[in-house]
Amino acid sequence: EPEVTQTPSHQVTQMGQEVILRCVPISNHLYFYWYRQILGQKVEFLVSFYNNEISEKSEIFDDQFSVERPDGSNFTLKIRSTKLEDSAMYFCASSEPGGNQPQHFGDGTRLSIL
Amino acid sequence: AQKITQTQPGMFVQEKEAVTLDCTYDTSDPSYGLFWYKQPSSGEMIFLIYQGSYDQQNATEGRYSLNFQKARKSANLVISASQLGDSAMYFCAMRPHYNTDKLIFGTGTRLQVFP
Repeated sequence: EPEVTQTPSHQVTQMGQEVILRCVPISNHLYFYWYRQILGQKVEFLVSFYNNEISEKSEIFDDQFSVERPDGSNFTLKIRSTKLEDSAMYFCASSEPGGNQPQHFGDGTRLSIL
Repeated sequence: AQKITQTQPGMFVQEKEAVTLDCTYDTSDPSYGLFWYKQPSSGEMIFLIYQGSYDQQNATEGRYSLNFQKARKSANLVISASQLGDSAMYFCAMRPHYNTDKLIFGTGTRLQVFP
């Protein structure tokens, strides 16, 4: 069964550094998402992406964050000047068009900021 | 306010028994979708089941069914014939209207299945 692939599974970065989290969505999906889950808390929406542009973003997704689809398969989340509070599990998801289509999640990247 | 509430932080069930995980939601839009996800200890998020606000029938997927009570704004997940592998966190999520892509998640319920 096709799946969303995320790399790396764990990223450790010094505070203030930039980090890029990578995702390969399911190949026939057109909608892509990033969510984050701070340890022990609920999953929070960050951003959705469709047709090579951001379609929606949350208040969490400020100028520190950016997303990109650099080629036909990858979808990346860049976090500039990381802060301690950016430590979380980051999930990429993708879906087919349609309000009833589930978002399929990757296994997540655990980001630890030191 | 758009919100998902899961009031059970933890639930225990014996193997082979059925268990109901509660979820209530709040949205003012008539067109919305409800999802349940399973998160094992390994951390991945696994889609289980979907219910649309206009669906007349309760959704079912194998051992999972959704007890959808629209007037009460509840969408409880029922797992029948529990298995040890069902032990995990379970999240209820809502797409609060069809003009948005985002899912709003509840705080989750940790289910422990014991032999």
